[in-house]
Parts: sequence; structure tokens; C-alpha cells
Amino acid sequence: DADVTQTPRNRITKTGKRIMLECSQTKGHDRMYWYRQDPGLGLRLIYYSFDVKDINKGEISDGYSVSRQAQAKFSLSLESAIPNQTALYFCATSDSGVLQRGQETQYFGPGTRLLVL
Amino acid sequence: KNEVEQSPQNLTAQEGEFITINCSYSVGISALHWLQQHPGGGIVSLFMLSSGKKKHGRLIATINIQEKHSSLHITASHPRDSAVYICAVRGQNFVFGPGTRLSVLP
Repeated sequence: DADVTQTPRNRITKTGKRIMLECSQTKGHDRMYWYRQDPGLGLRLIYYSFDVKDINKGEISDGYSVSRQAQAKFSLSLESAIPNQTALYFCATSDSGVLQRGQETQYFGPGTRLLVL
Repeated sequence: KNEVEQSPQNLTAQEGEFITINCSYSVGISALHWLQQHPGGGIVSLFMLSSGKKKHGRLIATINIQEKHSSLHITASHPRDSAVYICAVRGQNFVFGPGTRLSVLP
């Protein structure tokens, strides 16, 4: 079984609809991240969470919200989807304990393709 | 904000060729990562570097901290190496380059 899972894997929705993308991990990591990827651009950070009670905005948080329901679950919501939110969305995790040894690595989910019509 | 650039954007090679992908960044970092994104979209981490050089199989990654530059080399390239290779730098958070799309032809 995959360590980081995302649901759904593909989603088509209409402008104005509210949707939620979910991420679960079995790695026991405390840090979780949501990124979006657009053609020709690098991954951009939407939100990140270093702990269940610690949520932080990333580079492009406008139009998005998140919920860290448990250490293993981090959800991304689009309150009112718009076409320019069409992208590939990735969840990732990392272990802060490893950071002190300079070996922090991110582990990515398989991605969710979102199309907003 | 750290700016991460990669070159080339796209690269086509014949099987067996030696390949180099470059990454440069603008601000000092604690670590640099090379990632591979498969045609299906999945992303895996290949290397984490804070200095020097690392080798894993046919892949070699180097970093020059003073010049703010890293290279990823693939020796004896194979069609299964076809993917997008992404450089990411670790400061406060991760900042990602736009990726280099590699196609290795048989």
C-alpha cells in the first residue's frame, strides 16, 4: 500500500462548486504540504502544516483552505472553484525529526488532476 | 524568495548517451533535492545534497554551494530514464524549479 494517498485521483467540477481533496499518510510524519503544479511552472506551495495545531499559508493560498483533522490527514478545499484552479495537486509529507540531521526528504502522493469548467 | 532555474527545459537523447541537467538558485540553502516525475505524474525523491557529490546507480548529483549550482548526471541513459527531473531547494520551505523534460530514444 502507498504511504501517501490522495483522493480523488481525478475530478471535474464546475465553476462555483465547493470541492475537497483529501490526503492520508501512513508514514507517521508530522509535516504535511499541499502543492499545485501547472505546465511549465514549478510546484508551488499552497498550505503547509507542521503539526495538527499548526497551519500556515504558502505562496498561493488565496482561494484555498485546509484542515488537519489528524496527524495522518490533511485536506485541501476550494470553497468556490474557478477555472484557473485547474491544475495537478500534490500532497507531500516530511519528518521534522530528520531535519535536525539535514536529511529531510519529502514524500509525495500520486497527485489529483482537477479540471474546473 | 529563492529563485530556482533549470537548464535545459527539454532534452532529447539517444540511448547510451551521458546526460547533464543543471540547476541554479539565488539564495543560500540548507539542502538541495533532485526529484523525478514519471510520465504518469508520480514524484519520487532521487537525492538530497548539502555538499559534494552523491551517486546512486547510473545517477550522479553534485553541488557547488559557493556557486549556488547543482548538476544531475545520468550515465548510459536508457528509455526508462525518460521523465521530468525537478530540482528543489530547502530554505524555510521547499522551492521548486520548473523541471527538465528528458526523453531518451531507443
